[in-house]
Amino acid sequence: EIVLTQSPGTLSLSPGERATLSCRASQTVSRSYLAWYQQKPGQAPRLLIYGASSRATGIPDRFSGSGSGTDFTLTISRLEPEDFAVYYCQQYGSSLFTFGPGTKVDIK
Amino acid sequence: QVQLQESGPGLVKPSQTLSLTCTVSGGFISSGGYYWSWIRQHPGKGLEWIGYIYYTGSAYYNPSLKSRVTISVDTSKNQFSLRLSSVTAADTAVYYCARVGDSYDHFDYWGQGTLVTVSS
Repeated sequence: EIVLTQSPGTLSLSPGERATLSCRASQTVSRSYLAWYQQKPGQAPRLLIYGASSRATGIPDRFSGSGSGTDFTLTISRLEPEDFAVYYCQQYGSSLFTFGPGTKVDIK
Repeated sequence: QVQLQESGPGLVKPSQTLSLTCTVSGGFISSGGYYWSWIRQHPGKGLEWIGYIYYTGSAYYNPSLKSRVTISVDTSKNQFSLRLSSVTAADTAVYYCARVGDSYDHFDYWGQGTLVTVSS
């Protein structure tokens, strides 16, 4: 089973700042099967990025994903007030999905 | 626009079986091309994939839960279901149903989630 580690656990930033979130896998993630989700309190997760770098439908271009192998990054270029939330990475491999523990982006 | 909605009891007694149903609208499970999944989230914690099913009935489960989980599909009702047996307090969680996206590696549509509490 591939274990995902996310850092930092919490990121305290101000609106307008750039956010850089990291996701590291314990083994190579095949075919860049790496996705990112945003979750706000009381809501279901929302798909942001799949295939490591493809934005999901309707996702603003301030969200971007990059990386391959074992190291992946989600970047939010300029934080909007609605972007303060928890972000999860997720991988698929060997017919098994696993999620990272999440990074909370809160207002500084 | 595909929509998913979970339904089922919000309270289950220990040792009993948790049963939930996900009703899909805006698309047909029988059309194929997508897997349909269950995911849970323990209170204040991260996400755990439970399993997924294809319209043919082929199902795949998380090995950590495999001995207690059954996922089934009813294409005539456009629904798929989760059964989790021998539940304990550790199974208390918000349960989500979701669609696996067309590259089979991510979840593109989610239900709103339903909280299931295991307690006597």
